[in-house]
Amino acid sequence: IAGITQAPTSQILAAGRRMTLRCTQDMRHNAMYWYRQDLGLGLRLIHYSNTAGTTGKGEVPDGYSVSRANTDDFPLTLASAVPSQTSVYFCASSAQEGGEKLFFGSGTQLSVL
Amino acid sequence: KNQVEQSPQSLIILEGKNCTLQCNYTVSPFSNLRWYKQDTGRGPVSLTIMTFSENTKSNGRYTATLDADTKQSSLHITASQLSDSASYICVVTRNSGNTPLVFGKGTRLSVIA
Repeated sequence: IAGITQAPTSQILAAGRRMTLRCTQDMRHNAMYWYRQDLGLGLRLIHYSNTAGTTGKGEVPDGYSVSRANTDDFPLTLASAVPSQTSVYFCASSAQEGGEKLFFGSGTQLSVL
Repeated sequence: KNQVEQSPQSLIILEGKNCTLQCNYTVSPFSNLRWYKQDTGRGPVSLTIMTFSENTKSNGRYTATLDADTKQSSLHITASQLSDSASYICVVTRNSGNTPLVFGKGTRLSVIA
């Protein structure tokens, strides 16, 4: 089934540990995004990539890094996790950058203790 | 400041009843407005898109309206079903910038029997 796959579904992590959230899409979309969703704050953009080989910072990029080595994969790395990074993380893609319909993955529930 | 405000924050209605969700925005320059439905534990899914020239658009029991002059949109749900229980997120696209999407915080709708 075409779409976006995120892994893991959920994770409990000790503070200070490194963690990579995986995201893969098979729709050959150019643009990909990482959002975090917190109660009362809605979806906030962490990082984005308009095409393979390029990335950009969103609204809340601190403590996160991304890479876009190819069209399909867009991993999100927390170099040293902190409790404030406890959240639900959503990966999304769109056929073109900006304004196009977003297709979301099912999310990763991350708890940093 | 580019903002999207949704109301109410949450809503409980009886199955079979109608309801209307509101979205007010101050985003400029305006490109389009989308409504997304997010089921619990899932990523958001696009319901409909409204462009500047469109006033009303229907998708089954969902009808979206747009008043570009007052910068308001609504999502009307007719004859609600239990499966309509979800969060509804309004997203406005700007016609400029590297990160043109502005998200509302969503309205949580609960339909009860």
